[in-house]
Amino acid sequence: AQTVTQSQPEMSVQEAETVTLSCTYDTSESDYYLFWYKQPPSRQMILVIRQEAYKQQNATENRFSVNFQKAAKSFSLKISDSQLGDAAMYFCAYRSPNTGNQFYFGTGTSLTVIP
Amino acid sequence: DGGITQSPKYLFRKEGQNVTLSCEQNLNHDAMYWYRQDPGQGLRLIYYSQIVNDFQKGDIAEGYSVSREKKESFPLTVTSAQKNPTAFYLCASRPRTSGGATQYFGPGTRLTVL
Repeated sequence: AQTVTQSQPEMSVQEAETVTLSCTYDTSESDYYLFWYKQPPSRQMILVIRQEAYKQQNATENRFSVNFQKAAKSFSLKISDSQLGDAAMYFCAYRSPNTGNQFYFGTGTSLTVIP
Repeated sequence: DGGITQSPKYLFRKEGQNVTLSCEQNLNHDAMYWYRQDPGQGLRLIYYSQIVNDFQKGDIAEGYSVSREKKESFPLTVTSAQKNPTAFYLCASRPRTSGGATQYFGPGTRLTVL
């Protein structure tokens, strides 16, 4: 099974500053999808951004962007101009087109935004 | 509005009892998933179903059972065989189209065994 590793259990950032959350994964597949999900205190999982492995261009969604390094199997999330509402748990996820399209999740990074 | 609903939001169960968690979606998604979330462990896959009347075990299926009789519904039963069922349970769905790689989640059910 694929594994997804988030090595930063907790991170903090000053409001309006930039923070980067790390994620690495282990796979032998060449075609797959990567995701970042946000889980605020309500515990509703919200999709932040996704990346297709065959695309070289890094995905961007407003203040959220990724740094996808396929050879290094790295998929970091950058949050620019951090806002108080960004405080949440962030999960990195890998989706395999094989193995029944299963999703594999990391253990999460808890982000605190300091006013 | 389209979405995924899970009920109840909070559920209490006595040891030795089976309990069923509901998951319904009106997004016309083909695939549905059940996850368990424990502190510090992320999400772990219990069962998933890609089409009606078919489902597969995930990484932690022991002590759980599911059915998929309708496209819209994917109920999860936590049986008395599950040794430590207290957790937060999340249901998700995903369209099966070629561009439908994204998984969408319901609001979750918190199960507590008394």
